[in-house]
Amino acid sequence: GENVEQHPSTLSVQEGDSAVIKCTYSDSASNYFPWYKQELGKRPQLIIDIRSNVGEKKDQRIAVTLNKTAKHFSLHITETQPEDSAVYFCAASFTGGGNKLTFGTGTQLKVEL
Amino acid sequence: NAGVTQTPKFQVLKTGQSMTLQCAQDMNHEYMSWYRQDPGMGLRLIHYSVGAGITDQGEVPNGYNVSRSTTEDFPLRLLSAAPSQTSVYFCASSRDRVVDEQFFGPGTRLTVL
Repeated sequence: GENVEQHPSTLSVQEGDSAVIKCTYSDSASNYFPWYKQELGKRPQLIIDIRSNVGEKKDQRIAVTLNKTAKHFSLHITETQPEDSAVYFCAASFTGGGNKLTFGTGTQLKVEL
Repeated sequence: NAGVTQTPKFQVLKTGQSMTLQCAQDMNHEYMSWYRQDPGMGLRLIHYSVGAGITDQGEVPNGYNVSRSTTEDFPLRLLSAAPSQTSVYFCASSRDRVVDEQFFGPGTRLTVL
């Protein structure tokens, strides 16, 4: 089955700096890579996703890059703000993989003033 | 639309008791799933369903049963609760497939004594 590794487990940045979270996956057939944000005590919510037919996707201050050859993808947050503080999860799946989404173990991001 | 709803929000059980966690969605989504979230382990898939009458196992199915008699409801049954099942449980749904955006419910915090 799919295995997703996520690093780092905790990340502390100063407000206005950039944050990068990296994930690697094991199944070369994976073709869908979403990122979820979970604020304390809340439910996970999708913030951005990328499919294997593109290498990069941006949405305002967040972007995701995908390197299929190396089997890794990354979340980039620029100009971080205190409200970006949360746990971020990457995930991977592929259409023919029994409809299963495999999540990474999460990154606790803290944006300090 | 209420989206994805879960009941109860909190539950305390004694070892050996059984109970059902309820999940419902009003978005006419075909795909529904159950995850458990434990510290440092991310979200792990318990069971999922691609439509009414169809269910399948995820990564950690032991000790749990599911059924999908209607499109809207996807209850999770704990057969004989164990302390290892202490966790936060999230139900999620998506329009058609796992590679569509997953909408999560608010979660159920379960403690087994």
